[in-house]
Amino acid sequence: AQSVSQHNHHVILSEAASLELGCNYSYGGTVNLFWYVQYPGQHLQLLLKYFSGDPLVKGIKGFEAEFIKSKFSFNLRKPSVQWSDTAEYFCAVLRGDYKLSFGAGTTVTVRA
Amino acid sequence: DTGVSQDPRHKITKRGQNVTFRCDPISEHNRLYWYRQTLGQGPEFLTYFQNEAQLEKSRLLSDRFSAERPKGSFSTLEIQRTEQGDSAMYLCASSGATGSISYEQYFGPGTRLTVT
Repeated sequence: AQSVSQHNHHVILSEAASLELGCNYSYGGTVNLFWYVQYPGQHLQLLLKYFSGDPLVKGIKGFEAEFIKSKFSFNLRKPSVQWSDTAEYFCAVLRGDYKLSFGAGTTVTVRA
Repeated sequence: DTGVSQDPRHKITKRGQNVTFRCDPISEHNRLYWYRQTLGQGPEFLTYFQNEAQLEKSRLLSDRFSAERPKGSFSTLEIQRTEQGDSAMYLCASSGATGSISYEQYFGPGTRLTVT
């Protein structure tokens, strides 16, 4: 079945540590890729997106993601996390031009 | 606040009752989407509208579910004869209609439904 897989269910880090969250998808053809973030008590917010061009994309709050077509991956990274990065992170693939398919999410807890 | 709004934020109902949720999209957006999210999972697509036309319905949307967007602005999602398995967060999102802006979906806060 076509799907979006996020490798980690829960990640616990200390402040200033580096973060990398894995995301793999199984859809063929052209894809548009997203990372969404949900901070505690808030709604889903778009963190960054990839449509085409440079496979390394930068988003808000110092996050970046790299699209590797040969690996069907779109991993999220941040060199140095802060306590305020505690949130749930969702990888998503746009199927066609309207249907988002989400991974199960990764909860990131940053300890001060 | 000009984001997507949803009402109510929480709904507790007894099994067998009907419930209706409302979504108000970002005003200039003419695409509107409904998703459902259960604990430990990402959102799952339910249906989407372009203006007032409902263009796709997921297999997840049984006959007990109906969504409308009568004037191409706000939308309602009704669940008839609720079941405990309907307990979930119901999310609404909106986007523009053309070009790359149509790819960016903006989500509302959701309506959390609990069926007892």
